[in-house]
Amino acid sequence: SAVISQKPSRDICQRGTSLTIQCQVDSQVTMMFWYRQQPGQSLTLIATANQGSEATYESGFVIDKFPISRPNLTFSTLTVSNMSPEDSSIYLCSVEEGTDTQYFGPGTRLTVL
Amino acid sequence: AQKITQTQPGMFVQEKEAVTLDCTYDTSDQSYGLFWYKQPSSGEMIFLIYQGSYDEQNATEGRYSLNFQKARKSANLVISASQLGDSAMYFCAMRVGGNNRLAFGKGNQVVVIP
Repeated sequence: SAVISQKPSRDICQRGTSLTIQCQVDSQVTMMFWYRQQPGQSLTLIATANQGSEATYESGFVIDKFPISRPNLTFSTLTVSNMSPEDSSIYLCSVEEGTDTQYFGPGTRLTVL
Repeated sequence: AQKITQTQPGMFVQEKEAVTLDCTYDTSDQSYGLFWYKQPSSGEMIFLIYQGSYDEQNATEGRYSLNFQKARKSANLVISASQLGDSAMYFCAMRVGGNNRLAFGKGNQVVVIP
């Protein structure tokens, strides 16, 4: 499976600031996904990012709060804007391979004070 | 919309014993895929096993097997010969048809004790 890396692995941020999370894949992939996992909860899909088009957001997530870039087939970024403590979560990117299986990056642990 | 249900409380398992994690799902689609992921305390999500709705054989991957009962809409994960490193949260997930979204259950906590 593809090797996926995320930066940063963790961060502590002040409310009102923004953080950009990077996701890098070692092979070209069509679809990349961004998920949020709030403390003690399951994963929730934020958006699907295809290269060359705008990301598709799930209900409850908006582009102004979570802008996404997908400049090429191996890279994507997710920005968490104007953060509040409720944004404290693990953010994970994933890519789709093989039998429609999604493989995940190591995650970014975000704490907002 | 598809729904995944994992309702077991946290489980303690003796090392070398087998453990079964329950997962039921709800969908009206005929074509779907079922997945199990492991999430250790480090936070990464590790893919374990996949079962397609049209697969006649239960999926197996090493010590992991999936007990797929289509009529009951259940896809239980069986971990054989538990190891201390199996201590983690386990998530069941489903993908329906051409929709590439994964819907996740709430997860099962497993603690393997020596």
